[in-house]
Amino acid sequence: EVQLVESGGGLVQPGRSLRLSCAASGFTFDDYAMHWVRQAPGKGLEWVSGISWNSGSTVYADSVKGRFTISRDNAKNSLYLQMNSLRTEDTALYYCAKGGSITIFGVLKDWGQGTLVTVSS
Amino acid sequence: DIQMTQSPSSLSASIGDRVTITCRASQGISHYLAWYQQKPGKVPKLLIYAASTLQSGVPSRFSGSGSGTDFTLTISSLQPEDVATYYCQKYNSAPLTFGGGTKVQIK
Repeated sequence: EVQLVESGGGLVQPGRSLRLSCAASGFTFDDYAMHWVRQAPGKGLEWVSGISWNSGSTVYADSVKGRFTISRDNAKNSLYLQMNSLRTEDTALYYCAKGGSITIFGVLKDWGQGTLVTVSS
Repeated sequence: DIQMTQSPSSLSASIGDRVTITCRASQGISHYLAWYQQKPGKVPKLLIYAASTLQSGVPSRFSGSGSGTDFTLTISSLQPEDVATYYCQKYNSAPLTFGGGTKVQIK
């Protein structure tokens, strides 16, 4: 059974940084691209970033480009999102999602439960 | 960037009704379109990919169609457990944009 467990969320002041983690199990981690998707309270889904199986390709939403960095450690079956220069509009539940194949350009087949990030002074 | 527009933003229908949700891409995306279901307080779930392929385990009352810029998600006979928000997503290129969502309720 695929399991994706996010951690690292919390309350942070605007301008500060936070690093999210996603621990994966139940599948061969380095056979799949991985993604981060967020959902602001009461709002829709927003795709944030994706990374290919070997970290060779990374892509970002315009809203986070230059501030967020996605990475993965296949030896540890883990996905990360380094979030810098946080803004109040980054407040959301952040989901880790497993792609459908090695390439970033695929569907999001499995999702974690999410970790809540609140950016507020 | 390609924009994804869903309509309607919400709908209310009776049990057993046929429900149709549309998703329009601002540029052609071939068949690289997925549909997700998010029940209240729950994690999103993949329903359909490649515009019309049903994900394993999804009830057959759900179906998808379309190609290029215009896509449709159909629930052939609405059930109480289908109350949810439905999202389309393009995945042919970055950014992998979601539509704004369609909230489906029971009348």
